[in-house]
Amino acid sequence: DAGVIQSPRHEVTEMGQEVTLRCKPISGHNSLFWYRQTMMRGLELLIYFNNNVPIDDSGMPEDRFSAKMPNASFSTLKIQPSEPRDSAVYFCASSWDSGRGQYFGPGTRLTVT
Amino acid sequence: AQSVAQPEDQVNVAEGNPLTVKCTYSVSGNPYLFWYVQYPNRGLQFLLKYITGDNLVKGSYGFEAEFNKSQTSFHLKKPSALVSDSALYFCAVRDSGTYKYIFGTGTRLKVLA
Repeated sequence: DAGVIQSPRHEVTEMGQEVTLRCKPISGHNSLFWYRQTMMRGLELLIYFNNNVPIDDSGMPEDRFSAKMPNASFSTLKIQPSEPRDSAVYFCASSWDSGRGQYFGPGTRLTVT
Repeated sequence: AQSVAQPEDQVNVAEGNPLTVKCTYSVSGNPYLFWYVQYPNRGLQFLLKYITGDNLVKGSYGFEAEFNKSQTSFHLKKPSALVSDSALYFCAVRDSGTYKYIFGTGTRLKVLA
């Protein structure tokens, strides 16, 4: 299995631009999570889906952030418009319901100038 | 409310010595407990988990963890540290009634040659 796949691995954009991060979970997993990691705030859960349905989006910072999961094999996290304070590493993770643990992707390093 | 605490920001240990990275938790219901490791510029990697059964859990790279229900702790241990164990370690808990994982703030382990 290829594991959780994220793209792009690095993204540099200017303030005000739209950014879309992509994630392909491990086949057969039915939960998907988006996290953000910064030095200041550590690892933050933004949103998670179960069976393609958003369950908890209380970690989404503001309306500029949105996430979708149109099918079991694909999810996006969109930031529109982006701001310099959004600069961080964004991780996608997937898991089974049974609680056997999450599997993380390699992350997308976002830099907003 | 569910929470995980890692009381030490950093742990230093000499190579060859035993290491312990501490974690305490607070959840309602039965906890599912996990340890993850993060190397620089990488995603989090699963080390081990406790769901039920034997309180001493063995995981990857020679690590083990001891579940202590009375002390609500799940400390990570290794009998003999290697320089290559130097990384950031995260403890996490999943309440058995939800899909959400709560992560600690992380402990940086530094193994000195």
